[in-house]
Amino acid sequence: EDQVTQSPEALRLQEGESSSLNCSYTVSGLRGLFWYRQDPGKGPEFLFTLYSAGEEKEKERLKATLTKKESFLHITAPKPEDSATYLCAVLGGNDYKLSFGAGTTVTVRA
Amino acid sequence: ETGVTQTPRHLVMGMTNKKSLKCEQHLGHNAMYWYKQSAKKPLELMFVYSLEERVENNSVPSRFSPECPNSSHLFLHLHTLQPEDSALYLCASSPEGAGQQETQYFGPGTRLLVL
Repeated sequence: EDQVTQSPEALRLQEGESSSLNCSYTVSGLRGLFWYRQDPGKGPEFLFTLYSAGEEKEKERLKATLTKKESFLHITAPKPEDSATYLCAVLGGNDYKLSFGAGTTVTVRA
Repeated sequence: ETGVTQTPRHLVMGMTNKKSLKCEQHLGHNAMYWYKQSAKKPLELMFVYSLEERVENNSVPSRFSPECPNSSHLFLHLHTLQPEDSALYLCASSPEGAGQQETQYFGPGTRLLVL
């Protein structure tokens, strides 16, 4: 069974203080790793899909990277509006089910 | 309306009530999903429909009953729920069908409270 572990569980940052979130996964034949952002009381908002080790994607202050065992979401010079819970999910093998991690809640203080 | 919409956004029901959640996607997608999100837990997949056929019933109790009348609409019928069923229920859709290397797009969710 696919497993996804995100760390840390919570992250408090000062505005402008860059940091990274980790997503470790165990999957039989990775077919895609997905990052979502979720604001309180709302549905997850798609950020990135990564398909193979070495792949990187960027969007504004966010950059996602992928290795064979983990993915990182780097937040560069965060702003208060980057405060949210960031979810990681994997699609593996012959399955059609996304397996999600529990998320990292990021709080950015002005 | 664009994207994936869900109604109602909030629902309070007693354990003997019957209610339904509705999801509609305006993206022309072929697969739709129901997820349950409880506090501090990962999203749990409940049901998957691909081209209007159910392809997954993830050991969900029978008090939850899905219905997919067409590729744009998905319902979750609720009957004699328990307080532990209180959660955020999320609907999602994806373009080609369940199992492809593709992204799922989520609706805003229905916050359900069972008293």
